[in-house]
Amino acid sequence: QSVLTQPPSVSGAPGQRVTISCTGSSSNIGAGYDVHWYQQLPGTAPKLLIYANSDRPSGVPDRFSGSKSGTSASLAITGLQAEDEADYYCQSYDSSLSGWVFGGGTKLTAL
Amino acid sequence: EVQLVESGGGLVQPGRSLRLSCAASGFIFDDYAMHWVRQAPGKGLEWVSGISWNSGRIGYADSVKGRFTISRDNGKNSLYLQMNSLRGEDMALYYCAKGSGSYFSYYYMDVWGKGTTVTVSS
Repeated sequence: QSVLTQPPSVSGAPGQRVTISCTGSSSNIGAGYDVHWYQQLPGTAPKLLIYANSDRPSGVPDRFSGSKSGTSASLAITGLQAEDEADYYCQSYDSSLSGWVFGGGTKLTAL
Repeated sequence: EVQLVESGGGLVQPGRSLRLSCAASGFIFDDYAMHWVRQAPGKGLEWVSGISWNSGRIGYADSVKGRFTISRDNGKNSLYLQMNSLRGEDMALYYCAKGSGSYFSYYYMDVWGKGTTVTVSS
């Protein structure tokens, strides 16, 4: 059971908009710690996708966006493309555990 | 180019030890925190341990506390993970990751290595 809760899977047709939620608690997201998102393409290492809730590293398309409110965060992908098929993980710091926590991951399928 | 290369994985019996290494290049190693993150086969990511730039602050996941020890040698641009009393549930792909700042408890992980596989089996 992960400290951050994500849906196991989401899907969408090419060109559509999909969102992935990440729900935490008062010791992590709700405590004000930033949320970060990672994309893991099949058979590869994770890659930073969104940092500090809504910022994109250079090279990440603006189709990807993040937001945070209260004890939750979400990742939105607009104009879905087949190459976006991957596992997506949210991450935050947890003060009760004194360590980093990840969501269980969400598998995105482009139909 | 920032690069992280892990090594030291392999097959080990339950209860034995293994030491992982991560060679860093392309950035000023002693300016940044470093982490180990693992991924069991078919499972999600799990943070294992983090260490601040000067080894002054270190953290561990509860699942490895007391068994694993993280360390770094800034003179050699290297990160290590000493794993003792290994269990079946420690079997995973272990990634080395660079923090985006000096302290492991605040800065996210902005660069990841390709990982090294640890198999725990008798």
